[in-house]
Amino acid sequence: QQQVKQSPQSLIVQKGGIPIINCAYENTAFDYFPWYQQFPGKGPALLIAIRPDVSEKKEGRFTISFNKSAKQFSLHIMDSQPGDSATYFCAAHASGGSYIPTFGRGTSLIVHP
Amino acid sequence: DAGVIQSPRHEVTEMGQEVTLRCKPISGHDYLFWYRQTMMRGLELLIYFNNNVPIDDSGMPEDRFSAKMPNASFSTLKIQPSEPRDSAVYFCASSRTSGTRVDTQYFGPGTRLTVL
Repeated sequence: QQQVKQSPQSLIVQKGGIPIINCAYENTAFDYFPWYQQFPGKGPALLIAIRPDVSEKKEGRFTISFNKSAKQFSLHIMDSQPGDSATYFCAAHASGGSYIPTFGRGTSLIVHP
Repeated sequence: DAGVIQSPRHEVTEMGQEVTLRCKPISGHDYLFWYRQTMMRGLELLIYFNNNVPIDDSGMPEDRFSAKMPNASFSTLKIQPSEPRDSAVYFCASSRTSGTRVDTQYFGPGTRLTVL
């Protein structure tokens, strides 16, 4: 059973556009929501993360929006650049319990020049 | 810090052969994870260790897969015998926990396995 649903599967935007990637979760015990960025031939790397005590977090051009009541969170990339072309994964963790991060299926983003 | 180190980076083998993938986690990290990534199934967690002890191997697809962590700085994932459907990129990741606080996973560069 997929506990974190990520959409869209792929996304193409022009340079300067604002791609938005959405994730929805089911487990209310999740309390840490990171986004990972993966370039071809590389492993995923942490991009930005949020905890449910805030509704938004910004780091440079990357913003996470978090809606606890809807159990949804999203990644926005402002002024997207061709170098942002990568696969993006959302994930969710629970501090207690078995500590197994659950990943979304990933979104392949292409930013055209 | 050198990050998570995996070897080999690429492995091409024939069906039926034994394959061993290796991982050195980041020093001081107490969790180690093995993942498999394919286009069809995305990123799948195979097994994870805490303080060198396997905690959950429910993601291991078959008995042909086995993993060990003999010490805090080394882990192996073995496939015996290998099959073409095992072709994928295998990632090792490590992380550190502090009390009940969850920390970020740090991934290695992966091993691209091709089974002919």
